[in-house]
Amino acid sequence: AQSVSQHNHHVILSEAASLELGCNYSYGGTVNLFWYVQYPGQHLQLLLKYFSGDPLVKGIKGFEAEFIKSKFSFNLRKPSVQWSDTAEYFCAVKSQAGTALIFGKGTTLSVSS
Amino acid sequence: EAGVAQSPRYKIIEKRQSVAFWCNPISGHATLYWYQQILGQGPKLLIQFQNNGVVDDSQLPKDRFSAERLKGVDSTLKIQPAKLEDSAVYLCASTRGGGSMLTDTQYFGPGTRLTVL
Repeated sequence: AQSVSQHNHHVILSEAASLELGCNYSYGGTVNLFWYVQYPGQHLQLLLKYFSGDPLVKGIKGFEAEFIKSKFSFNLRKPSVQWSDTAEYFCAVKSQAGTALIFGKGTTLSVSS
Repeated sequence: EAGVAQSPRYKIIEKRQSVAFWCNPISGHATLYWYQQILGQGPKLLIQFQNNGVVDDSQLPKDRFSAERLKGVDSTLKIQPAKLEDSAVYLCASTRGGGSMLTDTQYFGPGTRLTVL
């Protein structure tokens, strides 16, 4: 069965610090990978997604993620975080179109100004 | 474009009571998902509909949970009777469908936070 692991449960950073959130998945075949974000009091929204092609994917709000197939990883990065990036971040995977997402447990990011 | 609508936003019930949640997906979206998100965990699929048919309900506790999408548009999820461990946020999501991964992005509603006492 597919699974997703997010290594960091809670990350605390100061504004302008760089961010990297780890995500590993277990599935040997073709996968499609996603990062969702949930800001306080808001619903889950898509940050970025990888389907195929360039393994470096750029999303909204300056976020990017790199798919490394050999490491089964899809880490999320941002060069300089802002206070407004405080949120919970979820990595998710799906194996084919039309199927449900399998989520990791999430990482809470707290950014202090 | 209006997003996925859910109601109620919050619900508090006693154990053994019943409860129902409602979801209206984005207009034109054929696929609808119900997820359960327990505190400290990521969302977990309960049931997936394609139009008004069930695609995957393998993780739905069928002894107490039921869901329907009779006209292929909005959907209801019911719990009867509720247990303490059902306390969670129930999320509804929808996709346009069609089988193409390029358009197969799930859009989530705000969720219903259920507390079972």
